[in-house]
Amino acid sequence: RKEVEQDPGPFNVPEGATVAFNCTYSNSASQSFFWYRQDCRKEPKLLMSVYSSGNEDGRFTAQLNRASQYISLLIRDSKLSDSATYLCVVNRVSWGKLQFGAGTQVVVTP
Amino acid sequence: EAGVTQFPSHSVIEKGQTVTLRCDPISGHDNLYWYRRVMGKEIKFLLHFVKESKQDESGMPNNRFLAERTGGTYSTLKVQPAELEDSGVYFCASSRAPQDTQYFGPGTRLTVL
Repeated sequence: RKEVEQDPGPFNVPEGATVAFNCTYSNSASQSFFWYRQDCRKEPKLLMSVYSSGNEDGRFTAQLNRASQYISLLIRDSKLSDSATYLCVVNRVSWGKLQFGAGTQVVVTP
Repeated sequence: EAGVTQFPSHSVIEKGQTVTLRCDPISGHDNLYWYRRVMGKEIKFLLHFVKESKQDESGMPNNRFLAERTGGTYSTLKVQPAELEDSGVYFCASSRAPQDTQYFGPGTRLTVL
């Protein structure tokens, strides 16, 4: 079983719509959680950290459910520029080793 | 502030040859990481340096891979001899502390023929 599992998509989203997707992680010892964004043939870039109480950054909202071991990302008012692969990433804080999901592809269409 | 840089951006070599990848972390970042993404798979951790010391090399696939970080600045990752399954994108990342945000370099795309 993979450490971090994501629906690969693609999620085809009309511009202006809302899209949400989850990832699950298998190790209950995981301490830190992130969403990274990766554009085609580029490096991953941190989109946002995910906090226990849930957090929002502009149009992006992240939630963490430790009991069920899943993380979610919601994108409101989707823009064409939101088209990318979203990587769910977990970390055991004391180790620095990031564990990546395979990514969820989002395609925002005009 | 300059980001993480990697060299080369692309490398095409034949099976059995040697390749050395280089990573220059963000200045002041003691923590340096190597990751790899092979075709169709997720990005996987290879190893973690704290300054010049290997903190965790649990992700290194086998002894054909050798990572060094002499002087605690830039790092190299040597593959010798390269095999077909080594093809992929090799990312380097750096952070000030292990719990801090990791910033990724643009990656080196390695193709072994």
